[in-house]
Amino acid sequence: EAQVTQNPRYLITVTGKKLTVTCSQNMNHEYMSWYRQDPGLGLRQIYYSMNVEVTDKGDVPEGYKVSRKEKRNFPLILESPSPNQTSLYFCATRSPPGRGLITYEQYFGPGTRLTVT
Amino acid sequence: EDKVVQSPLSLVVHEGDTVTLNCSYEVTNFRSLLWYKQEKKAPTFLFMLTSSGIEKKSGRLSSILDKKELFSILNITATQTGDSAIYLCAVELNYGGSQGNLIFGKGTKLSVKP
Repeated sequence: EAQVTQNPRYLITVTGKKLTVTCSQNMNHEYMSWYRQDPGLGLRQIYYSMNVEVTDKGDVPEGYKVSRKEKRNFPLILESPSPNQTSLYFCATRSPPGRGLITYEQYFGPGTRLTVT
Repeated sequence: EDKVVQSPLSLVVHEGDTVTLNCSYEVTNFRSLLWYKQEKKAPTFLFMLTSSGIEKKSGRLSSILDKKELFSILNITATQTGDSAIYLCAVELNYGGSQGNLIFGKGTKLSVKP
């Protein structure tokens, strides 16, 4: 079954304590990305990766790091979390365009609700 | 600056009503427009639109794109309480002829009352 998994699903932590949210996909997709979703602001992209070892900043990268050492995993790292990073985080992957298609479907992980106190 | 604007932000209707959700965009390099439905969890894909004037349909949902006027609409006929959700519009940017990033609107929250 095609899946994007995230861990943990829920996390309450304190300011300054480094954390990592993992994202893993079993679909061999090249493109992966991280979003945060906040009330009134919608989904905003944090970082994305076109392929292994290729990452780039999205709209709101400050305070976050990512790595893409292998195709299936794309962890999101908060070196020193702050309360303004309290949010709902989604990892997403994108299938390559099918034959005759210009584009694809984007698959979202189940989300990670992070609270930083 | 690339942007996607959805309206209304929130909508309350009764079962059986027909609703139209709007999505307008201003982007430098358009590739496609996508609609998603988000209930209490992750967004799920509804439609992808790339050509003007061609309606995409799935059951009671349909969508169309106008690339000249830079907008899309999502129609839901005979609404049901299960249609209650946030509907997200996203525009994919062209990235050197290949897949690009998605710019999301803020969403329209639809509530369908029995």
